[in-house]
Amino acid sequence: NAGVTQTPKFQVLKTGQSMTLQCAQDMNHEYMSWYRQDPGMGLRLIHYSVGAGITDQGEVPNGYNVSRSTTEDFPLRLLSAAPSQTSVYFCASKPGGSSNYGYTFGSGTRLTVV
Amino acid sequence: QQQVKQSPQSLIVQKGGISIINCAYENTAFDYFPWYQQFPGKGPALLIAIRPDVSEKKEGRFTISFNKSAKQFSLHIMDSQPGDSATYFCAARQTGANNLFFGTGTRLTVIP
Repeated sequence: NAGVTQTPKFQVLKTGQSMTLQCAQDMNHEYMSWYRQDPGMGLRLIHYSVGAGITDQGEVPNGYNVSRSTTEDFPLRLLSAAPSQTSVYFCASKPGGSSNYGYTFGSGTRLTVV
Repeated sequence: QQQVKQSPQSLIVQKGGISIINCAYENTAFDYFPWYQQFPGKGPALLIAIRPDVSEKKEGRFTISFNKSAKQFSLHIMDSQPGDSATYFCAARQTGANNLFFGTGTRLTVIP
């Protein structure tokens, strides 16, 4: 079992460039989410999905888009990167239903916007 | 606005000592309180979690103490070891919801 796989591990972008951070899970988890981690800020929720075709905004959604066409994949898109989006991004998944608590995190993507 | 407040930001403990990290919340709808451990270059991993119907949960050297009336919970690491050196996050989840709200993290360093 690979768990939650994030690619790439590292990325440097120029301001205004676009890119997609990939997240894939092989556990058939219905719930998937994206967090960003910044020093002194903890992890903040960007977007989440409770199933294929369903997405919603978290605490800090501005500048990011998501889609969920399959159960396995939940890509995060930056349409026009800004230096404020320099961060470490984590994808997490868990089985569906609020009674399930087993969140699994990926190993992260470190993004630098210059 | 930080829904879960965590302190201290950093902590240095001697090997064999007790590490204590504290968290507080305001939302009384929170019903699940996990602690995550994160090593450099890795994602957070669940360490231990508690529901508000108990005041304490212990797993090995790790204990969560929960005070529902004060809306506070804390992580105690007994007999701290250098291998415990990591960043620890508390978190909370609302009843019926899926999303976790995290504290700001505590960087623990255990000195040999």
